[in-house]
Amino acid sequence: GENVEQHPSTLSVQEGDSAVIKCTYSDSASNYFPWYKQELGKGPQLIIDIRSNVGEKKDQRIAVTLNKTAKHFSLHITETQPEDSAVYFCAASSQAGTALIFGKGTTLSVSS
Amino acid sequence: GAVVSQHPSRVICKSGTSVKIECRSLDFQATTMFWYRQFPKQSLMLMATSNEGSKATYEQGVEKDKFLINHASLTLSTLTVTSAHPEDSSFYICSASKGQGNPYEQYFGPGTRLTVT
Repeated sequence: GENVEQHPSTLSVQEGDSAVIKCTYSDSASNYFPWYKQELGKGPQLIIDIRSNVGEKKDQRIAVTLNKTAKHFSLHITETQPEDSAVYFCAASSQAGTALIFGKGTTLSVSS
Repeated sequence: GAVVSQHPSRVICKSGTSVKIECRSLDFQATTMFWYRQFPKQSLMLMATSNEGSKATYEQGVEKDKFLINHASLTLSTLTVTSAHPEDSSFYICSASKGQGNPYEQYFGPGTRLTVT
């Protein structure tokens, strides 16, 4: 089955800096890669996603890149703000309507 | 939008009792719903996948007789934790997929914090 590795487990940055979180996946059939932000005591919120027919996607300060050959994808947050502090999870799925396999999460702390 | 609700948001029960958690898709019909469990400072672990009108598919290691899942309609799935024990204390999160639009996207509920004393 699919296995998703996520690094780093914790990341501390200064406000205004960029943050990068990386994930690798094992199943070459995976073709959907979402990123979720989870605040304490709440459910995950989708912040950006990418499908395997696209190499990069950007939404304001957030971007995701995908390298299918190497089976890794990354989340890039620019101009970080304190409200970006949360736990971020990457995930992968190989088929529409099937479950997501999550990475272990990255705790991002943005200090002002 | 695509909103998923869960009820209750928090529940405390005594060891040996059963607890039911509801997951509802408020503004769409969910072809598939998923139940996840999340222990403190850990990731979301899939427990089961359910499709309306059919039996749920459980992940390895998840006891189907302990975690009863009913997906009675396209907008409601329930998870019942039977004979709960303290080790069942966790954050339970459901998600739902529309099956149309972006068929891959899952919409997550806000979670239910279960504490078994």
